Amino acid sequence: SQKIEQNSEALNIQEGKTATLTCNYTNYSPAYLQWYRQDPGRGPVFLLLIRENEKEKRKERLKVTFDTTLKQSLFHITASQPADSATYLCALQNTGGFKTIFGAGTRLFVKA
Amino acid sequence: NAGVTQTPKFQVLKTGQSMTLQCAQDMNHNSMYWYRQDPGMGLRLIYYSASEGTTDKGEVPNGYNVSRLNKREFSLRLESAAPSQTSVYFCASSDVGQLYNEQFFGPGTRLTVL
Repeated sequence: SQKIEQNSEALNIQEGKTATLTCNYTNYSPAYLQWYRQDPGRGPVFLLLIRENEKEKRKERLKVTFDTTLKQSLFHITASQPADSATYLCALQNTGGFKTIFGAGTRLFVKA
Repeated sequence: NAGVTQTPKFQVLKTGQSMTLQCAQDMNHNSMYWYRQDPGMGLRLIYYSASEGTTDKGEVPNGYNVSRLNKREFSLRLESAAPSQTSVYFCASSDVGQLYNEQFFGPGTRLTVL
């Protein structure tokens, strides 16, 4: 069956450092991979999308890489800030775009 | 724009009771979704509606029914609630085929079934 794995352990980093979160998947060939942010008690908010034929995508302090051979995506937040503390979800979509599969998320804590 | 709204925010039910979760979006999106989120697990798709007038099962549809009332509204019904349905329920909407295929989520409904 299709499976997405994100590091279930929380990631603790110091302000100003780069946070790197990992998303691995199996038994799936996604057309798109998305990253969402979720704050406690709130719904997820879309951050970035990367397509299967793209290797890297950047948006401000965020960078996503996508390796379809390794079946892995890395999500980087550079110059991290305490406000970046949240849970980050990885999501896979097929070409149709309707049936999105979400990972359980990785909790990030950025200390001042 | 309110985005995606959900009612109620919290609900406690007894086993066997029924209830309907309401969802509305004001972004003129064609597609709407219902997910449940449980601790340690990703969001799981219950049902979705690709467009007004259509609904399809997702990954975990058993015990639920949905109605796409119009383009704006998509409701989720639990006919006979069970403790296994204790979860946080999120509604989302999107315009599939647009640049990022992103989904816009509501604030969630926290449901406890005793």
